[in-house]
Amino acid sequence: DTAVSQTPKYLVTQMGNDKSIKCEQNLGHDTMYWYKQDSKKFLKIMFSYNNKELIINETVPNRFSPKSPDKAHLNLHINSLELGDSAVYFCASSKRGVDQPQHFGDGTRLSIL
Amino acid sequence: AQSVSQHNHHVILSEAASLELGCNYSYGGTVNLFWYVQYPGQHLQLLLKYFSGDPLVKGIKGFEAEFIKSKFSFNLRKPSVQWSDTAEYFCAVNPPGNTPLVFGKGTRLSVIA
Repeated sequence: DTAVSQTPKYLVTQMGNDKSIKCEQNLGHDTMYWYKQDSKKFLKIMFSYNNKELIINETVPNRFSPKSPDKAHLNLHINSLELGDSAVYFCASSKRGVDQPQHFGDGTRLSIL
Repeated sequence: AQSVSQHNHHVILSEAASLELGCNYSYGGTVNLFWYVQYPGQHLQLLLKYFSGDPLVKGIKGFEAEFIKSKFSFNLRKPSVQWSDTAEYFCAVNPPGNTPLVFGKGTRLSVIA
Protein backbone atom coordinates (compact mmCIF):
# COMPACT_ATOMS: atom_id res chain seq x y z
CA ASP A 1 0.00 0.00 0.00
CA THR A 2 2.92 2.31 -0.83
CA ALA A 3 1.68 5.86 -1.36
CA VAL A 4 4.19 7.02 -3.98
CA SER A 5 6.05 4.26 -5.77
CA GLN A 6 8.87 4.59 -8.25
CA THR A 7 10.47 1.96 -10.43
CA PRO A 8 13.18 1.02 -10.80
CA LYS A 9 14.93 1.71 -7.50
CA TYR A 10 18.35 1.47 -9.14
CA LEU A 11 19.25 2.10 -12.76
CA VAL A 12 22.75 1.60 -14.13
CA THR A 13 23.27 2.31 -17.79
CA GLN A 14 25.74 3.64 -20.32
CA MET A 15 26.10 7.12 -21.74
CA GLY A 16 23.94 7.74 -24.75
CA ASN A 17 21.18 5.33 -23.78
CA ASP A 18 17.52 6.23 -23.34
CA LYS A 19 15.78 5.23 -20.11
CA SER A 20 12.50 5.74 -18.29
CA ILE A 21 11.54 5.97 -14.64
CA LYS A 22 7.96 5.31 -13.65
CA CYS A 23 6.02 6.88 -10.81
CA GLU A 24 2.59 6.11 -9.46
CA GLN A 25 0.68 7.51 -6.51
CA ASN A 26 -2.41 6.07 -4.85
CA LEU A 27 -3.19 9.07 -2.64
CA GLY A 28 -5.71 10.62 -4.99
CA HIS A 29 -3.49 13.68 -5.38
CA ASP A 30 -3.85 16.03 -8.31
CA THR A 31 -0.27 17.28 -8.46
CA MET A 32 2.88 15.30 -9.14
CA TYR A 33 6.53 16.30 -9.28
CA TRP A 34 9.96 15.14 -10.33
CA TYR A 35 13.03 16.23 -8.37
CA LYS A 36 16.71 15.64 -8.95
CA GLN A 37 19.00 15.16 -5.94
CA ASP A 38 22.67 15.48 -6.78
CA SER A 39 25.66 13.93 -5.06
CA LYS A 40 25.74 16.79 -2.54
CA LYS A 41 22.12 16.06 -1.59
CA PHE A 42 20.90 19.28 -3.22
CA LEU A 43 17.27 18.77 -4.17
CA LYS A 44 15.92 20.67 -7.14
CA ILE A 45 12.52 20.51 -8.79
CA MET A 46 12.44 19.52 -12.44
CA PHE A 47 8.78 19.28 -13.37
CA SER A 48 5.33 19.49 -11.90
CA TYR A 49 2.06 18.27 -13.37
CA ASN A 50 -1.41 19.15 -12.17
CA ASN A 51 -4.07 16.71 -13.30
CA LYS A 52 -2.00 15.60 -16.30
CA GLU A 53 -1.06 19.13 -17.33
CA LEU A 54 2.46 20.52 -17.11
CA ILE A 55 2.57 23.49 -14.73
CA ILE A 56 6.23 23.76 -13.85
CA ASN A 57 9.17 23.14 -16.13
CA GLU A 58 12.38 24.34 -14.60
CA THR A 59 15.52 24.77 -16.67
CA VAL A 60 15.90 21.13 -17.53
CA PRO A 61 17.49 19.91 -20.79
CA ASN A 62 14.90 18.84 -23.33
CA ARG A 63 16.42 15.35 -23.20
CA PHE A 64 14.15 14.96 -20.16
CA SER A 65 10.53 14.48 -21.07
CA PRO A 66 7.83 13.84 -18.48
CA LYS A 67 4.68 12.02 -19.46
CA SER A 68 1.48 11.86 -17.45
CA PRO A 69 -1.02 9.35 -18.86
CA ASP A 70 -3.38 10.06 -15.97
CA LYS A 71 -3.24 12.03 -12.75
CA ALA A 72 -1.95 9.04 -10.78
CA HIS A 73 1.11 8.56 -12.97
CA LEU A 74 4.05 10.75 -13.93
CA ASN A 75 6.81 9.01 -15.81
CA LEU A 76 10.18 10.49 -16.67
CA HIS A 77 11.89 9.62 -19.93
CA ILE A 78 15.50 10.60 -20.48
CA ASN A 79 17.15 10.54 -23.92
CA SER A 80 20.86 10.37 -24.67
CA LEU A 81 21.95 9.99 -21.07
CA GLU A 82 25.04 11.94 -19.98
CA LEU A 83 27.42 11.47 -17.07
CA GLY A 84 25.97 14.54 -15.35
CA ASP A 85 22.57 12.87 -15.22
CA SER A 86 23.83 10.57 -12.46
CA ALA A 87 21.73 11.42 -9.42
CA VAL A 88 18.82 10.25 -7.35
CA TYR A 89 15.48 11.16 -8.91
CA PHE A 90 12.50 11.56 -6.60
CA CYS A 91 8.89 11.56 -7.57
CA ALA A 92 6.43 13.31 -5.27
CA SER A 93 2.75 14.12 -5.14
CA SER A 94 0.50 16.53 -3.28
CA LYS A 95 -3.01 17.82 -3.20
CA ARG A 96 -3.73 20.50 -5.79
CA GLY A 97 -1.34 23.43 -5.59
CA VAL A 98 2.39 23.74 -5.22
CA ASP A 99 2.00 25.00 -1.64
CA GLN A 100 0.74 21.69 -0.34
CA PRO A 101 2.92 19.25 1.63
CA GLN A 102 4.43 16.70 -0.67
CA HIS A 103 4.70 12.94 -0.33
CA PHE A 104 7.87 11.50 -1.80
CA GLY A 105 8.72 8.20 -3.39
CA ASP A 106 11.78 6.21 -2.37
CA GLY A 107 13.88 7.58 -5.21
CA THR A 108 15.60 6.07 -8.24
CA ARG A 109 19.37 6.06 -8.15
CA LEU A 110 20.57 6.57 -11.70
CA SER A 111 24.22 5.81 -12.42
CA ILE A 112 25.72 6.53 -15.81
CA LEU A 113 28.80 4.57 -16.80
CA ALA B 1 19.29 35.34 -6.18
CA GLN B 2 16.48 34.48 -3.84
CA SER B 3 17.19 31.33 -1.91
CA VAL B 4 16.86 29.11 1.10
CA SER B 5 19.95 28.82 3.28
CA GLN B 6 20.82 26.14 5.76
CA HIS B 7 23.98 27.25 7.45
CA ASN B 8 25.07 23.99 8.99
CA HIS B 9 26.28 21.39 6.54
CA HIS B 10 26.94 18.66 9.11
CA VAL B 11 26.02 18.63 12.78
CA ILE B 12 27.28 16.00 15.19
CA LEU B 13 25.60 15.64 18.56
CA SER B 14 25.61 13.21 21.43
CA GLU B 15 22.36 11.54 22.42
CA ALA B 16 20.20 13.71 24.70
CA ALA B 17 21.82 16.93 23.42
CA SER B 18 19.56 19.72 22.23
CA LEU B 19 19.30 20.47 18.55
CA GLU B 20 18.78 23.64 16.59
CA LEU B 21 19.17 23.71 12.81
CA GLY B 22 19.10 27.06 11.10
CA CYS B 23 17.08 27.97 8.05
CA ASN B 24 16.85 31.40 6.45
CA TYR B 25 15.12 32.46 3.28
CA SER B 26 15.26 35.60 1.20
CA TYR B 27 11.73 35.83 -0.22
CA GLY B 28 9.48 38.74 0.66
CA GLY B 29 5.76 38.48 1.17
CA THR B 30 3.80 35.54 2.48
CA VAL B 31 5.61 32.22 2.37
CA ASN B 32 4.82 28.68 3.41
CA LEU B 33 7.60 26.87 5.26
CA PHE B 34 8.43 23.21 5.66
CA TRP B 35 10.98 20.93 7.23
CA TYR B 36 11.51 17.51 5.67
CA VAL B 37 13.68 14.68 6.97
CA GLN B 38 15.44 12.01 4.93
CA TYR B 39 16.59 8.99 6.92
CA PRO B 40 19.48 7.01 5.43
CA GLY B 41 18.37 5.26 2.28
CA GLN B 42 14.80 6.50 2.55
CA HIS B 43 12.58 9.09 0.94
CA LEU B 44 11.85 12.55 2.29
CA GLN B 45 9.15 12.79 4.91
CA LEU B 46 7.38 15.88 6.17
CA LEU B 47 8.36 16.82 9.73
CA LEU B 48 6.29 19.96 10.09
CA LYS B 49 4.92 22.93 8.20
CA TYR B 50 3.96 26.54 8.79
CA PHE B 51 1.32 28.33 6.76
CA SER B 52 -0.08 30.91 9.21
CA GLY B 53 -1.07 31.40 12.84
CA ASP B 54 1.08 30.46 15.81
CA PRO B 55 4.70 30.89 14.70
CA LEU B 56 5.79 28.00 16.90
CA VAL B 57 4.78 24.79 15.16
CA LYS B 58 4.99 21.28 16.52
CA GLY B 59 5.85 18.41 14.27
CA ILE B 60 6.29 14.69 14.52
CA LYS B 61 8.87 12.91 16.69
CA GLY B 62 9.22 15.80 19.13
CA PHE B 63 10.45 18.35 16.60
CA GLU B 64 9.31 21.95 16.54
CA ALA B 65 10.16 25.02 14.52
CA GLU B 66 9.76 28.72 15.07
CA PHE B 67 8.93 31.18 12.32
CA ILE B 68 10.47 34.59 12.96
CA LYS B 69 9.25 36.84 10.19
CA SER B 70 11.58 39.72 11.00
CA LYS B 71 14.58 37.43 10.69
CA PHE B 72 13.29 35.48 7.69
CA SER B 73 14.05 32.37 9.69
CA PHE B 74 12.42 29.03 10.38
CA ASN B 75 14.77 27.14 12.68
CA LEU B 76 14.17 23.54 13.63
CA ARG B 77 14.58 22.43 17.24
CA LYS B 78 14.42 19.33 19.37
CA PRO B 79 15.15 19.37 23.12
CA SER B 80 16.80 15.95 23.26
CA VAL B 81 17.99 14.05 20.20
CA GLN B 82 18.13 10.30 19.84
CA TRP B 83 20.38 8.09 17.75
CA SER B 84 17.39 7.44 15.47
CA ASP B 85 17.30 11.14 14.56
CA THR B 86 20.42 10.64 12.44
CA ALA B 87 19.29 11.85 9.03
CA GLU B 88 19.46 14.65 6.49
CA TYR B 89 17.17 17.60 7.27
CA PHE B 90 15.84 19.88 4.56
CA CYS B 91 14.21 23.23 4.98
CA ALA B 92 11.86 24.19 2.14
CA VAL B 93 10.06 27.39 1.28
CA ASN B 94 7.09 27.93 -0.94
CA PRO B 95 7.61 31.51 -2.20
CA PRO B 96 4.73 33.87 -2.95
CA GLY B 97 2.81 33.28 -6.12
CA ASN B 98 2.20 29.91 -7.66
CA THR B 99 5.87 28.97 -7.54
CA PRO B 100 7.38 25.63 -6.68
CA LEU B 101 8.94 24.60 -3.42
CA VAL B 102 12.57 25.64 -3.01
CA PHE B 103 14.73 23.40 -0.86
CA GLY B 104 17.79 24.31 1.15
CA LYS B 105 20.92 22.25 0.64
CA GLY B 106 20.20 20.15 3.70
CA THR B 107 21.92 19.60 7.03
CA ARG B 108 23.24 16.19 7.91
CA LEU B 109 22.67 15.32 11.55
CA SER B 110 24.74 12.56 13.10
CA VAL B 111 23.77 11.51 16.61
CA ILE B 112 26.35 9.47 18.48
CA ALA B 113 25.80 7.33 21.52
